[in-house]
Amino acid sequence: GAGVSQSPRYKVAKRGQDVALRCDPISGHVSLFWYQQALGQGPEFLTYFQNEAQLDKSGLPSDRFFAERPEGSVSTLKIQRTQQEDSAVYLCASSLRRTGNAEAFFGQGTRLTVV
Amino acid sequence: AQTVTQSQPEMSVQEAETVTLSCTYDTSENNYYLFWYKQPPSRQMILVIRQEAYKQQNATENRFSVNFQKAAKSFSLKISDSQLGDTAMYFCAFPFNQAGTALIFGKGTTLSVSS
Repeated sequence: GAGVSQSPRYKVAKRGQDVALRCDPISGHVSLFWYQQALGQGPEFLTYFQNEAQLDKSGLPSDRFFAERPEGSVSTLKIQRTQQEDSAVYLCASSLRRTGNAEAFFGQGTRLTVV
Repeated sequence: AQTVTQSQPEMSVQEAETVTLSCTYDTSENNYYLFWYKQPPSRQMILVIRQEAYKQQNATENRFSVNFQKAAKSFSLKISDSQLGDTAMYFCAFPFNQAGTALIFGKGTTLSVSS
């Protein structure tokens, strides 16, 4: 596709439920990033992939959060046993080059609401 | 630690006027990029302008320009001839690690442009 695509756009989960959020980056983009954005705040870094390798996961808030990109294209962010504090918009971004100094193209995000 | 501070939570401006959004940051790096991103209600982050820290000349993109003061660690965004479509949240950001594999964002400034 022409841009970064994320699905679903909205997700409501009951507390304790597992969720999976999908990101389709721009074709050929080497780098992929996940960010978490709380209401009225700036995005906060979660994890970074270079092709299929997860090179930085320092921003994942707990071991309930897991991300993968097995073939170096589509990525999935999984949250196990969701809690209310997980409610946020989850943004995916990709960039053509290997360093973060390249322009990052963002998707429209998935708004997760845990009830 | 790397930090980004946007001290103006909200700003309002009339169409055709000029507005300046402020951003200060702290980093121990010498060579880095700085970014301004725009996030309209659709949630998709869009790159507005990028500045390379080793370049003394301020970046300009049509109606958008920056005032980059490296010694003061200040990176403000000037929007000239404001348009209704400029209404959005604006984030200042820069890579927070040496590899540049992720961005740290400010808390954002909500800009409202009225007719």
